[in-house]
Amino acid sequence: QQQVKQSPQSLIVQKGGISIINCAYENTAFDYFPWYQQFPGKGPALLIAIRPDVSEKKEGRFTISFNKSAKQFSLHIMDSQPGDSATYFCAANSQGAQKLVFGQGTRLTINP
Amino acid sequence: ETGVTQTPRHLVMGMTNKKSLKCEQHLGHNAMYWYKQSAKKPLELMFVYSLEERVENNSVPSRFSPECPNSSHLFLHLHTLQPEDSALYLCASSQDFAGGYNEQFFGPGTRLTVL
Repeated sequence: QQQVKQSPQSLIVQKGGISIINCAYENTAFDYFPWYQQFPGKGPALLIAIRPDVSEKKEGRFTISFNKSAKQFSLHIMDSQPGDSATYFCAANSQGAQKLVFGQGTRLTINP
Repeated sequence: ETGVTQTPRHLVMGMTNKKSLKCEQHLGHNAMYWYKQSAKKPLELMFVYSLEERVENNSVPSRFSPECPNSSHLFLHLHTLQPEDSALYLCASSQDFAGGYNEQFFGPGTRLTVL
């Protein structure tokens, strides 16, 4: 019940296209959903996060869509660029648990 | 130095060696974390320290021994490791561990290979 399932494991998108990564969770106590971006040789860095009181959050080309009833959330990258090529991790947390549960990661490659 | 730094960046050790990983955070945070990152697996939380006190120990084998001498430094002492312990070990810090959602800031990791 503590798992966060992420798909796909790898994704190749053409430059200018839309990249979509999906995550699903079971624990209804989760109430904070961040996405982390990791470049080779670097640690993960927070990209964008959402609380379940909203269904969507947008920051520049990055959007989180959240479906509370389906217990799913997704990351959309609009106008994908080669510089977006990285591994993306979704995560979930609840205030009571005080620790992040991570998905397996998605390696995104944007072809020029 | 800024953010979270880790040394060494790469480490190769035999199963009988003893080595230590070092993490230092320059952010004034009160909580520090050790994670294990293996290929195609979720990040695994190993240990959490809050105000230099261990508050989380996720059933990690005793061959991994953490130490937090102050709020800026975190060590992971390694001894008699197994080849399956080969992974990227990430250190992170956050403002606090309790009381809301605290962004975790990660270091670049130590790539460990156990022969």
